[in-house]
Amino acid sequence: DTEVTQTPKHLVMGMTNKKSLKCEQHMGHRAMYWYKQKAKKPPELMFVYSYEKLSINESVPSRFSPECPNSSLLNLHLHALQPEDSALYLCASSQRDRSFYEQYFGPGTRLTVT
Amino acid sequence: TQLLEQSPQFLSIQEGENLTVYCNSSSVFSSLQWYRQEPGEGPVLLVTVVTGGEVKKLKRLTFQFGDARKDSSLHITAAQTGDTGLYLCAGAERNAGNMLTFGGGTRLMVKP
Repeated sequence: DTEVTQTPKHLVMGMTNKKSLKCEQHMGHRAMYWYKQKAKKPPELMFVYSYEKLSINESVPSRFSPECPNSSLLNLHLHALQPEDSALYLCASSQRDRSFYEQYFGPGTRLTVT
Repeated sequence: TQLLEQSPQFLSIQEGENLTVYCNSSSVFSSLQWYRQEPGEGPVLLVTVVTGGEVKKLKRLTFQFGDARKDSSLHITAAQTGDTGLYLCAGAERNAGNMLTFGGGTRLMVKP
């Protein structure tokens, strides 16, 4: 089973709203990631969690707040977003202790900020 | 910062034709992954190549890792309309921990 699930599939929110994106995997992976992808571009890394601890934050604005409640779950809390934050948000996971790092992606959440 | 250059950026071909997508870098990667992504969906892992010179086949798709582990190619034989999508290569470098460096992507359209 190489499935990563993400909810919701689509989200429309106003600039004053607070919402959360959720990601779950049951592959026993100990590294989890959030990516942002704009149309016709490759994914851009936002955050990396390794063993439930934030290990990489790619200078992401504070209106995006990640959380890793346990080894299977990853959340991305959204607050006071801007229209330019509209994008496909992808979650991925990988095994931590391997010599090569295959990442498995979820189906993504299509976010529209109005 | 490592760079992975992918070419061509866009390819439109007829069903039944062959094609090759290239991924090139001046850096050495410990492994390289190829993904295919359909609109509105997440990338799906197709293959991982690890050893220099390695060739892997997945039905009509052939993946090759360069001898020096700096480049890779994806060859599709007798393309089908179902092959349409965005193809992404992504390199992993041992000292970069869990981070992947993505190529810019190749958007493939196979017309019937």
